[in-house]
Amino acid sequence: DIQMTQSPSSLSASVGDRVTITCQASQDISNYLNWYQQKPGKAPKLLIYDASNLKTGVPSRFSGSGSGTDFTFTISSLQPEDSATYYCQQYDNLPRTFGPGTKVDIK
Amino acid sequence: EVQLVESGGGLVKPGGSLRLSCAASGFTFSSYSMNWVRQAPGKGLEWVSSISSSSSYIYYADSVKGRFTISRDNAKNSLYLQMNSLRAEDTAVYYCASPRELGDVGSFDYWGQGTLVTVSS
Repeated sequence: DIQMTQSPSSLSASVGDRVTITCQASQDISNYLNWYQQKPGKAPKLLIYDASNLKTGVPSRFSGSGSGTDFTFTISSLQPEDSATYYCQQYDNLPRTFGPGTKVDIK
Repeated sequence: EVQLVESGGGLVKPGGSLRLSCAASGFTFSSYSMNWVRQAPGKGLEWVSSISSSSSYIYYADSVKGRFTISRDNAKNSLYLQMNSLRAEDTAVYYCASPRELGDVGSFDYWGQGTLVTVSS
């Protein structure tokens, strides 16, 4: 199975800050990576697909980059409504696997 | 508007069975692969199973293989998960999820609200 790691596991930042989360795959997954946002008690929401494509309707302050084994998710200017847990997920191989998540809090 | 509505969760004893359902609307259900993803309380997301549009291809996580069975009824726009030999570690919110677009087998774009399965004596 492909193992996904994320760092940091949690962070606290101020409104307007630039926030970066990294995701690493245990083997080359090309660009077969998605990013999700999940708020407490809610289903996850797909934000980024194919490592860097912003899903329609998702604010442009969210972005993704990377390929191979190393990926980055960025919120360019953190907003109060961005407080959530963010997960990466690979779909290069079965089983589909998720990273452990990064909890983002607002200071 | 795409809607996925899960049902069938509840409290079950270890070793018991449960059948989850997911009613789909707002898209051509019969054309899309479908998935189950679960989340244990306070934990991360875990892919459980996927089924192709015509049920020709079915995949399971090792953690549920041999105990869970995914199926679908395209005439009823419904997805199912039959869960047998349930264990405490199966306790989770179970989500059905559909992909982003036709032919997409990797993303989970639309999600239901989830149904909680609790396995406890």
